[in-house]
Amino acid sequence: SYDLTQTFSVSVALGQTAKITCVGNNIGGKHVHWYQQKPGQAPVLVIYRDTKRPSGIPERYSASNSGNTATLTISRAQAGDEADFYCQVWDGSTVVFGGGTKLTVL
Amino acid sequence: EVQLVESGGGLVKPGESLRLSCAASGFTFSNAWMSWVRQAPGKGLEWVGRIKLKTDGETTEFAAPVKGRFTISRDDSKNTVYLQMNNLKTEDTAVYYCTTDTPFLYFFDFWGQGALVTVSS
Repeated sequence: SYDLTQTFSVSVALGQTAKITCVGNNIGGKHVHWYQQKPGQAPVLVIYRDTKRPSGIPERYSASNSGNTATLTISRAQAGDEADFYCQVWDGSTVVFGGGTKLTVL
Repeated sequence: EVQLVESGGGLVKPGESLRLSCAASGFTFSNAWMSWVRQAPGKGLEWVGRIKLKTDGETTEFAAPVKGRFTISRDDSKNTVYLQMNNLKTEDTAVYYCTTDTPFLYFFDFWGQGALVTVSS
């Protein structure tokens, strides 16, 4: 089975840039999607197809995908960005989610 | 505005069955693949399964842990998708989210608020 590995937690100072990684074997050959989930709420799609932002998602959210690592970047971090973030791919036969990364804004 | 509203969650015993419903609005339901994603308490997201369009024969796909126990159906006249869960196990305890599903890119662009299913003796 295909595995996606995410760092359990990431901290970022207010106004700085946070990077959340998602590691998988040749993940660069797959489309990666990212979700944000705040406590007690349903997940929200923030990036799809590696780099694209749905309408309503701030430009501060960007992403890349190459080799064995996909990265979600949040620029000028705000308190409201605190959440769990999940990466997700389709491995050809099933949907795979990463274990999630808890982002803390200090 | 897209809305997905799940219902039917509750407490059941191991081995029992439960059916969740998801009422959709704000988009052309009959043109949408639909999926269910679950989240066990304090855990991450896990895809459960999907149903494709009527024109695709309403083909369904399931994750290994639920295959053979869960089924998904849809009623396009009611804009509703269903998740029938049979032979429930304690490890099926989770919040179940109904989502729209994007053909061939397989991402979930809209989510319901979730329905809690608790399986306990």
